[in-house]
Amino acid sequence: DSGVTQTPKHLITATGQRVTLRCSPRSGDLSVYWYQQSLDQGLQFLIQYYNGEERAKGNILERFSAQQFPDLHSELNLSSLELGDSALYFCASSVEVSRDTQYFGPGTRLTVL
Amino acid sequence: AQSVTQLDSHVSVSEGTPVLLRCNYSSSYSPSLFWYVQHPNKGLQLLLKYTSAATLVKGINGFEAEFKKSETSFHLTKPSAHMSDAAEYFCVVSDRGSSASKIIFGSGTRLSIRP
Repeated sequence: DSGVTQTPKHLITATGQRVTLRCSPRSGDLSVYWYQQSLDQGLQFLIQYYNGEERAKGNILERFSAQQFPDLHSELNLSSLELGDSALYFCASSVEVSRDTQYFGPGTRLTVL
Repeated sequence: AQSVTQLDSHVSVSEGTPVLLRCNYSSSYSPSLFWYVQHPNKGLQLLLKYTSAATLVKGINGFEAEFKKSETSFHLTKPSAHMSDAAEYFCVVSDRGSSASKIIFGSGTRLSIRP
């Protein structure tokens, strides 16, 4: 158990809908990262937050957004969902910046029908 | 620009034989390099990391990797494979010094272990 929790574990929704994925980092970790893992694209870094502020951006679509709250939990919002958004979404946390070890959550499996 | 290339998408070895998973990287700055393992239906777990200290890095479960700057490589090795090593392995490069940190994952190498 990495200490990172993600909810929900599974999510099934329809095209055009909007969903919110939630992540609670390990106690004491200030940095949260979001990743998307799909069969065709592999594992892709989406975005990183550090202590409430956006720190780095990867291949995140404009339809996706994230935020980190004062209690350091983070939410990833996916809107206008398309079939191709079906994937595993991982959250990871670390103490500080990207050179630190990242601890991954178990993931949220999103299925868009 | 950063990039990371895992040279083999699939490696199959017999139990008890050595494992070699190859990773080459390119980086404009002084990189940190990581190997993560992902077992089926699980999240990723850190095996080991290099952050400009010793070039030979020892990790968990008997794995180690050597940072070779001249070859821009960070290959993962294990002397003797175990059935429980069957998983997907990811090489990761992270740059320091750029204004916005970039984290790049390799495409992954699936390791199969034959009895």
